[in-house]
Amino acid sequence: DSGVTQTPKHLITATGQRVTLRCSPRSGDLSVYWYQQSLDQGLQFLIQYYNGEERAKGNILERFSAQQFPDLHSELNLSSLELGDSALYFCASSVEPGTQQFFGPGTRLTVL
Amino acid sequence: EDQVTQSPEALRLQEGESSSLNCSYTVSGLRGLFWYRQDPGKGPEFLFTLYSAGEEKEKERLKATLTKKESFLHITAPKPEDSATYLCAVGRQGGSEKLVFGKGTKLTVNP
Repeated sequence: DSGVTQTPKHLITATGQRVTLRCSPRSGDLSVYWYQQSLDQGLQFLIQYYNGEERAKGNILERFSAQQFPDLHSELNLSSLELGDSALYFCASSVEPGTQQFFGPGTRLTVL
Repeated sequence: EDQVTQSPEALRLQEGESSSLNCSYTVSGLRGLFWYRQDPGKGPEFLFTLYSAGEEKEKERLKATLTKKESFLHITAPKPEDSATYLCAVGRQGGSEKLVFGKGTKLTVNP
């Protein structure tokens, strides 16, 4: 158990819908990272927050957004969902930016 | 652009048959090279961080080494429970703290 929690574990929804994925980092970790993992692309970095502020952006679609709250938990919002958004979404946290990241169990999103 | 290439894509071993996994990387200033283990449907589990060429880290049957262009994960006398996908990732100095991952090596150890 890495200490990073994610909810929900599974999410099944329809095209065009909007969903919110939630992540709680390890106690004391200020950095939160979001990654998408699909079969053909591997793990792809989406976005990073540090102590409530956006720190870095990867190949995150405009339909996706995220935020980190004062209690350091983070949410990833996915809207206007398409079939191709079906993937595993992982959250990771680290005590400081640049140190090893610890991953949560992931949310499996299925868009029908 | 930072790149990580892992080989082979898949590897089948008999229990006790030692081998190595390769991770070749291109990065402008290496901040750290990270190895993770991932079981199906689970989150990656952190194994090692290597920072500079010549560094080695060990944990049970696993040993990771680093050169200026690649890293190896040596598996000595593997057991069936070592079956998993092993992921390599790099972080760059001075830029975003994101990790760039390879696509992994899927290891299967048969009893």
